[in-house]
Amino acid sequence: GAGVSQTPSNKVTEKGKYVELRCDPISGHTALYWYRQSLGQGPEFLIYFQGTGAADDSGLPNDRFFAVRPEGSVSTLKIQRTERGDSAVYLCASSSQTGSNEQFFGPGTRLTVL
Amino acid sequence: AQTVTQSQPEMSVQEAETVTLSCTYDTSESDYYLFWYKQPPSRQMILVIRQEAYKQQNATENRFSVNFQKAAKSFSLKISDSQLGDAAMYFCAYRSAIGTASKLTFGTGTRLQVTL
Repeated sequence: GAGVSQTPSNKVTEKGKYVELRCDPISGHTALYWYRQSLGQGPEFLIYFQGTGAADDSGLPNDRFFAVRPEGSVSTLKIQRTERGDSAVYLCASSSQTGSNEQFFGPGTRLTVL
Repeated sequence: AQTVTQSQPEMSVQEAETVTLSCTYDTSESDYYLFWYKQPPSRQMILVIRQEAYKQQNATENRFSVNFQKAAKSFSLKISDSQLGDAAMYFCAYRSAIGTASKLTFGTGTRLQVTL
């Protein structure tokens, strides 16, 4: 079956612009996570959805970052007024509520803010 | 808050040899999960092995095994019979067992090189 997909694979934008990053989880997975991975670092948690609602958004760095999951499937991470420090790989993962709850990761979106 | 520490930024191993990657963590919880993930240049995080804290027996998956020392809060990964395809970044990660889904906390990673 299809895994987690993320689009675009790469995004280059200018400082101050608005960007949207999309995540398609594995079908039937109710939990969805966003992580940010800066160069040379491990992924850092941003936000976690259970269904349509954000169950934990404690990792969002500031109010320029926002994420939605309106129908409980696809999620969009939105970044306003991008800064050079936002440059990173943004990873999405999904998991089911049964079994091992293993998180399956997508290939990520590399965001570069010039 | 939980923290995960990987003190080896880079490791190298010869093909067919054995290598051990170190990981320590800090938590006040008694029940949790520990993971090792592999991240090749394609960026996709791949689960290598997982360990439930309540299990005393160390997890094994083919050539991969762990040494889980709960009292010492240590969780090392041993790769036996190393292969060229094992070359990648390896991340140790922690997840609370509270609730049915919760975030992963990652270490900073170890880059593993495999030489001929």
